[in-house]
Amino acid sequence: RKEVEQDPGPFNVPEGATVAFNCTYSNSASQSFFWYRQDCRKEPKLLMSVYSSGNEDGRFTAQLNRASQYISLLIRDSKLSDSATYLCVVPRPNNAGNMLTFGGGTRLMVKP
Amino acid sequence: GAVVSQHPSWVICKSGTSVKIECRSLDFQATTMFWYRQFPKQSLMLMATSNEGSKATYEQGVEKDKFLINHASLTLSTLTVTSAHPEDSSFYICSARDLFSSGANVLTFGAGSRLTVL
Repeated sequence: RKEVEQDPGPFNVPEGATVAFNCTYSNSASQSFFWYRQDCRKEPKLLMSVYSSGNEDGRFTAQLNRASQYISLLIRDSKLSDSATYLCVVPRPNNAGNMLTFGGGTRLMVKP
Repeated sequence: GAVVSQHPSWVICKSGTSVKIECRSLDFQATTMFWYRQFPKQSLMLMATSNEGSKATYEQGVEKDKFLINHASLTLSTLTVTSAHPEDSSFYICSARDLFSSGANVLTFGAGSRLTVL
């Protein structure tokens, strides 16, 4: 099993739709999780941090299920500008959160 | 917030030449920086951890003599791709963490350097 695994997509959705991505992780000792957004040919940028059961920021909601070892990202009322690749990121346990393991990314395309 | 600057953004070189990429923390000190590589349509893979004043720590499968890392100051790490070949063409991204910021748990990434080896 990969350390961090994501459905690569692409997810093609119309504007205004709600879309959800899942990410599974293999190390049950992982404590914190991140969703990053990466636009084509750009660096990743932090979207949300998840430290407990979940986090919500506007149209974006991240949820953590420790029992099943997965993190989800829900995007409501999708905008064209949400089109990007969403990376699930898990710090390596016992490494002070410095070293990150990236999932393969899920590509989202929001269409008019 | 913390800013990490990378230079150059783009570089095209001939096979066999060496290319140096710089990563600077602009408004904070970074004792540790990280170098990632991303091939097209793939995710970021950690290459090495750059440690100020000491040797870098390389991930399994990454040749330390091929990818030379120097972290001579608290704000600068360099990655040199030696004797570059077309298979080294990739997007190289560095990152660092500002330990004294409110977002200290978050790594900040440089804008990346796209290397094309002809």
